[in-house]
Amino acid sequence: ETGVTQSPTHLIKTRGQQVTLRCSSQSGHNTVSWYQQALGQGPQFIFQYYREEENGRGNFPPRFSGLQFPNYSSELNVNALELDDSALYLCASSRTGRATEAFFGQGTRLTVV
Amino acid sequence: AQTVTQSQPEMSVQEAETVTLSCTYDTSESDYYLFWYKQPPSRQMILVIRQEAYKQQNATENRFSVNFQKAAKSFSLKISDSQLGDAAMYFCAGNAGGTSYGKLTFGQGTILTVHP
Repeated sequence: ETGVTQSPTHLIKTRGQQVTLRCSSQSGHNTVSWYQQALGQGPQFIFQYYREEENGRGNFPPRFSGLQFPNYSSELNVNALELDDSALYLCASSRTGRATEAFFGQGTRLTVV
Repeated sequence: AQTVTQSQPEMSVQEAETVTLSCTYDTSESDYYLFWYKQPPSRQMILVIRQEAYKQQNATENRFSVNFQKAAKSFSLKISDSQLGDAAMYFCAGNAGGTSYGKLTFGQGTILTVHP
């Protein structure tokens, strides 16, 4: 088990609502990446944060936003939830530099009804 | 940009036997990394093995090894002496080096079943 923790583990939201997912990175890691994994699919990169700044973004609309805090923990915010946002959201932390390993949390299962 | 393709939605193997999972990729980068991740029902993605593109030697980790064919853009995973605990969804993934490191592109996954 890695030191990356995500909360909550499950939640159910109504279409149009807003949600905040949280991730505590592993000790010593300064980079956090977020992924969306639809049921039966591979994860898709949402964005990455490095030293509190967004450092790259995948093909996701602006209603997906994030934050990274000075302790390197991170939040993923999704506004105006849509049914297709139902998925497992994974957080991965890593250190910078070549050949460093990304450690994943157990994810947050979001269901939008 | 990278694309990663896994053409085997499901595979099965008998305990103690060997199985190979296939993956092809495409990238315009010269500096990149390839990975195999395992995702058991607990949902946590676990790194199985990693290959750096500039290294010609295939990576090995105990019972896990890869066949990296750079010209063919192929990256298969061989699991030897399969164990019941190997049953999981396996994802092939890649990312570019430099500032893109850590931004993974995943394939669609292969469900591996291990029969006792």
